[in-house]
Amino acid sequence: GENVEQHPSTLSVQEGDSAVIKCTYSDSASNYFPWYKQELGKRPQLIIDIRSNVGEKKDQRIAVTLNKTAKHFSLHITETQPEDSAVYFCAASIRGNKLVFGAGTILRVKS
Amino acid sequence: IAGITQAPTSQILAAGRRMTLRCTQDMRHNAMYWYRQDLGLGLRLIHYSNTAGTTGKGEVPDGYSVSRANTDDFPLTLASAVPSQTSVYFCASSDSPAAGELFFGEGSRLTVL
Repeated sequence: GENVEQHPSTLSVQEGDSAVIKCTYSDSASNYFPWYKQELGKRPQLIIDIRSNVGEKKDQRIAVTLNKTAKHFSLHITETQPEDSAVYFCAASIRGNKLVFGAGTILRVKS
Repeated sequence: IAGITQAPTSQILAAGRRMTLRCTQDMRHNAMYWYRQDLGLGLRLIHYSNTAGTTGKGEVPDGYSVSRANTDDFPLTLASAVPSQTSVYFCASSDSPAAGELFFGEGSRLTVL
């Protein structure tokens, strides 16, 4: 079936460094790719999303890139801060009517 | 305050018992979803509904059922709970199916003994 693979499962960076999380998807018809952040004990919240008609989108320190040919997309966080520590999930639309999530990446920003 | 509400927030349940997790949204969103979250497995889709009166199966539907009698409510029922259904369950809603932001509830932590 359709799935979304996410790497790495854990990532530790020094404060101020960049963090990159990568996802691949299997459904060539996928056209919506959001990223969610989940802090400990809280609900997931959308931080950025991208649609298939663009290759890159930025919002302050975060950016997402999409390569539809290779069926992968990535989250980039620059100038990381301790409050960026959380679990990050990528997702992809499947058959136009549901979102399938990756397994998540635990990001730790060390100060 | 507009949003999505789940109940109960936490429940311990004996195996074999029937359980319904409730979910209500007041944002008039068309689409609603149930996900379960397990360590290392991320958020897995159980069932979804793109509009009132319709439902669909997600990645892990076995052992669960849903109904969508109206726009606001999307209950999830475990007919006969098993220990492998121990998890945190999140309900979510979206204005556009698989094309817009998901708004999540606070989650329901279910333990099946």
